[in-house]
Amino acid sequence: NAGVTQTPKFQVLKTGQSMTLQCAQDMNHNSMYWYRQDPGMGLRLIYYSASEGTTDKGEVPNGYNVSRLNKREFSLRLESAAPSQTSVYFCASSLLGGTSGRMNEQFFGPGTRLTVL
Amino acid sequence: KQEVTQIPAALSVPEGENLVLNCSFTDSAIYNLQWFRQDPGKGLTSLLLIQSSQREQTSGRLNASLDKSSGRSTLYIAASQPGDSATYLCAAPSSGSARQLTFGSGTQLTVLP
Repeated sequence: NAGVTQTPKFQVLKTGQSMTLQCAQDMNHNSMYWYRQDPGMGLRLIYYSASEGTTDKGEVPNGYNVSRLNKREFSLRLESAAPSQTSVYFCASSLLGGTSGRMNEQFFGPGTRLTVL
Repeated sequence: KQEVTQIPAALSVPEGENLVLNCSFTDSAIYNLQWFRQDPGKGLTSLLLIQSSQREQTSGRLNASLDKSSGRSTLYIAASQPGDSATYLCAAPSSGSARQLTFGSGTQLTVLP
């Protein structure tokens, strides 16, 4: 039981390049999330998927797109990377989302460290 | 808009000491609050989730309390060990969206041997 896995662990891009960050969970969770963590800004939600087939914007969605490929996988795409997108990206999942008490406890992956030059 | 504050930003204690980490939030209409631990260069590990119907939740040497009326939560660590050194983050649901979490900036704890 690997929990939440993310690939790649590290990535360096040039401005304007595109890439997709991959996330998968094996806990049969319904909800998945993408966050970014920046010094002095804390963790901020980019996008989330409450259930398979749905996605919603979080606090900082500009410059990103997401795909909920199936129940297990949730990818984050940068179409044209910018230096402001240099950050550590975390994927998380929960059994349910919203007001479900214990069932919206979130579990995080190890992160992807992205540098955009 | 939900705002989550953690004080102090950093804390250094000798091994064996009991300690309390503080978390305050502005919007008390929350269903739960979650505490995490983050080691340098690593992801977040969920420590405890307290539901709004609970006042306390315990796991081993950790005890978290929640007082919605005052907008506060505390994480109590008993008999601290050097292995407890990490950054501790609390997160509360964002205003108007229970699915989104608002995180505090964290308390960086160092336990000295």
